[in-house]
Order: sequence, then structure tokens, then C-alpha cells
Amino acid sequence: DQQVKQNSPSLSVQEGRISILNCDYTNSMFDYFLWYKKYPAEGPTFLISISSIKDKNEDGRFTVFLNKSAKHLSLHIVPSQPGDSAVYFCAASEGNFNKFYFGSGTKLNVKP
Amino acid sequence: DSGVTQTPKHLITATGQRVTLRCSPRSGDLSVYWYQQSLDQGLQFLIQYYNGEERAKGNILERFSAQQFPDLHSELNLSSLELGDSALYFCASSLTPLVSSYNEQFFGPGTRLTVL
Repeated sequence: DQQVKQNSPSLSVQEGRISILNCDYTNSMFDYFLWYKKYPAEGPTFLISISSIKDKNEDGRFTVFLNKSAKHLSLHIVPSQPGDSAVYFCAASEGNFNKFYFGSGTKLNVKP
Repeated sequence: DSGVTQTPKHLITATGQRVTLRCSPRSGDLSVYWYQQSLDQGLQFLIQYYNGEERAKGNILERFSAQQFPDLHSELNLSSLELGDSALYFCASSLTPLVSSYNEQFFGPGTRLTVL
């Protein structure tokens, strides 16, 4: 039973435009959320996180939005660049321990 | 380069066999995590160690076991292998076992296991 879902396996966006990646979760006890980026033949790398006490966190071109009532988070990348082409995973955790539940990933392709 | 190393990069074996995957955490990190990524699936958390002690357990099968040694490297042992165990196995490390924006998990490049 997947507690974190990314329903779009892929997304294609033109360079310079906004990329919006979505993630839904089922466990209302999740209180910390992250996005990871993964290039082929590499492990995931941390991108941005958000605690459940916030509804938005911004880091440069990356913004994560959290809608707790809808159990939904999204990652916005503005403007998108070809180097952003990768697989993006969202992850969630409950409580203090670093035990994360990951979505299945969305492959983003940013076209030049 | 995350600083987390995993060996081997690739492993091909037969059903019923046993393999050991090795992970060396980033220098200074005390916590190690193991994840399994099957085809088109997200990463499934298997187990977490902190300073040699097991701290959290996920969906780890009884045929799988892990340990963290005094030098902080970790090994994941997979036995009685089945076709369905074919996957990418990632190791990650962090300074502490606690959730924090300052306690990021750094992932290794993974070991691709193929069971024939």
C-alpha cells in the first residue's frame, strides 16, 4: 500500500517555462516532506524540504507547496532549465526518525 | 559525488543464492539507511542503523538482514534470492537518525542486483 503517490510518471516542459510536479499522500501523520532529484546512474540528491507547520518553502528556482487538507504537495521549478531534466521523487516521514516513504518518481524532460 | 560509496555496482546471481552489498557512509555520518528500488517503483525503506544499532525497520523481508560495523560501514545480506529481489539497492547516510532540515540523507550510487 503506497502512502506516497506520484501519479504522473513523466512531464515534458519547454525551457524557461514552469515545471509543476505533484505528489499526494494518504497518511495524515506525515509531518516532513522532501523532494529528491535523481540523474541516471546516480543516487537521489536532496533538493528541498518542507515541514508540516509551513505551507510554502522556497529555494532559488525551486518552491515546494504543501496543502495539508488535500494531502498534496507540489514542486514548482521556475524557470525550468535543460539541466533540470531528471527523475524527481517526493518523500514523506512521520515523527522524529529519518524513515521516509517515497513516491514512484516523475521523469521531467526540459526541452531546449 | 555524495561521499557515500557502495560496492559492487552490479551483481548478477542465481535464485537461491546469497549476496552481500556493502556501503561506506560519508565521513562523519553515523546513521546508515538501506532502500530498495524495484522497476518503476519508488524507493522502499528497508532499515536504518545509527552508530551500530538498529533504529528503524521498514519493509525488510526476513531473508534480508543488515548490520553496521564499528567503523560505521554497513552490509546488507540478501539470502535465498528470488527473481523478485532484482532491484537497485541504495544506501544513504546522515549525521544523526533524526528528521531535520539540517540532517539530510546523502545517497550512494546504488548496487544493481539481477537475479536470474
